[in-house]
Amino acid sequence: EIVMTQSPATLSVSPGERAALSCRASQTVSSNLAWYQQKPGQAPRLLIYGASTRTTGIPARFSGSGSGTEFTLTISSLQSEDFAVYYCQQYNNWPPEPTFGGGTKVEIK
Amino acid sequence: EVQLVESGGGLVKPGGSLRLSCAASIFTFDKAWMSWVRQVPGKGLEWIGRIKSKSDGGTTDYAAPVKGRFTISRDDSKNTLYLQMNSLKTEDTAVYFCTTVGYADFVLDRWGQGALVTVSS
Repeated sequence: EIVMTQSPATLSVSPGERAALSCRASQTVSSNLAWYQQKPGQAPRLLIYGASTRTTGIPARFSGSGSGTEFTLTISSLQSEDFAVYYCQQYNNWPPEPTFGGGTKVEIK
Repeated sequence: EVQLVESGGGLVKPGGSLRLSCAASIFTFDKAWMSWVRQVPGKGLEWIGRIKSKSDGGTTDYAAPVKGRFTISRDDSKNTLYLQMNSLKTEDTAVYFCTTVGYADFVLDRWGQGALVTVSS
């Protein structure tokens, strides 16, 4: 199993500030990395796949970078609707099965 | 707009069975690859399994914790995905989401709202 580790567990940010969320894989996953956003009481929403490609409708303030084992999700200027939990997921070559990180909660400072 | 609606959740005793359904409003459901993901309330996400479209073989793959106990199937005539869960354990208690697979295999594109399954005596 590929273990995904996200840091920090909680990130306190003021609206308008930049946030950088980290995701590390226990072995290389190439660029097979996705990011999801989950708000309380809602299902997750896909933001980015292929480490850096935004899905339809995702604002440009969300950007993904990295490859191999180190990845970053950056939110350039936090809006009120961005406060949520963010999960990374690797999907590199079945098997092994896809796995998620433990999540980073972005909260209002 | 893609819409996925899960149903069939509830309370079941350890060792029991339950079947979840996911009704999909997808114009091309028969071509869609679909997945199930679960989440223990307040915790992280866990991929359970995936079924390909029949035109791509209709094969299924499962995560190790559920392999041999859970079965994913589909009825394309009803635009419905199923998750048959047998030999349930207390650790299977979670919200179960159905999702479409898009952009690449195992990328979870669209999600339903989830169905809560509680395994308790």
